[in-house]
Amino acid sequence: DGGITQSPKYLFRKEGQNVTLSCEQNLNHDAMYWYRQDPGQGLRLIYYSQIVNDFQKGDIAEGYSVSREKKESFPLTVTSAQKNPTAFYLCASSMARAYGYTFGSGTRLTVV
Amino acid sequence: AQKVTQAQTEISVVEKEDVTLDCVYETRDTTYYLFWYKQPPSGELVFLIRRNSFDEQNEISGRYSWNFQKSTSSFNFTITASQVVDSAVYFCALSEAEIGNSGYALNFGKGTSLLVTP
Repeated sequence: DGGITQSPKYLFRKEGQNVTLSCEQNLNHDAMYWYRQDPGQGLRLIYYSQIVNDFQKGDIAEGYSVSREKKESFPLTVTSAQKNPTAFYLCASSMARAYGYTFGSGTRLTVV
Repeated sequence: AQKVTQAQTEISVVEKEDVTLDCVYETRDTTYYLFWYKQPPSGELVFLIRRNSFDEQNEISGRYSWNFQKSTSSFNFTITASQVVDSAVYFCALSEAEIGNSGYALNFGKGTSLLVTP
């Protein structure tokens, strides 16, 4: 079945460590997105990519990095520069906005 | 500036009551898309509806209905005869043309938490 796979579902890291969240899709979608969710804040865009080897910063890109070496994969690295990394992270993909967006099941990151 | 406003942070109703979740959006585009998503406690976003800016017809799907009014920039969501399983956070979202740095990314409201009690 086609869809988006985010792994792991739960992730714990010590403060100061970089951590990479995985996002893989087999929908043949061109565009992929990373969102961060905090309680009461809705979803905020971190990075997005419309084609392979190209990506753009969203509203809250500071402290994060991404890569898009393959169409299917869009990993997100939370660096030690991110001051408050504990959050729920959602990955999404789309072919074109008229056809909507598909979301992964999310990764809950806790930094202690 | 917030492009999608969901003024109701939390709503609590008793089962079988009707409830309306408000959504007001802001855009300069003539072509745009509006969405509603449901987020149960598991965290996954469940797609409910997509509406383009040229289609102002209201839509009904079972107990769910949506009222799109361009004149007031609103896209409200009504649940008729609410059930406990409707308890979730509901998000309204906007997709505009490719302006600024957002591509076609969805702009979400902050969500409305709905609690339906027996």
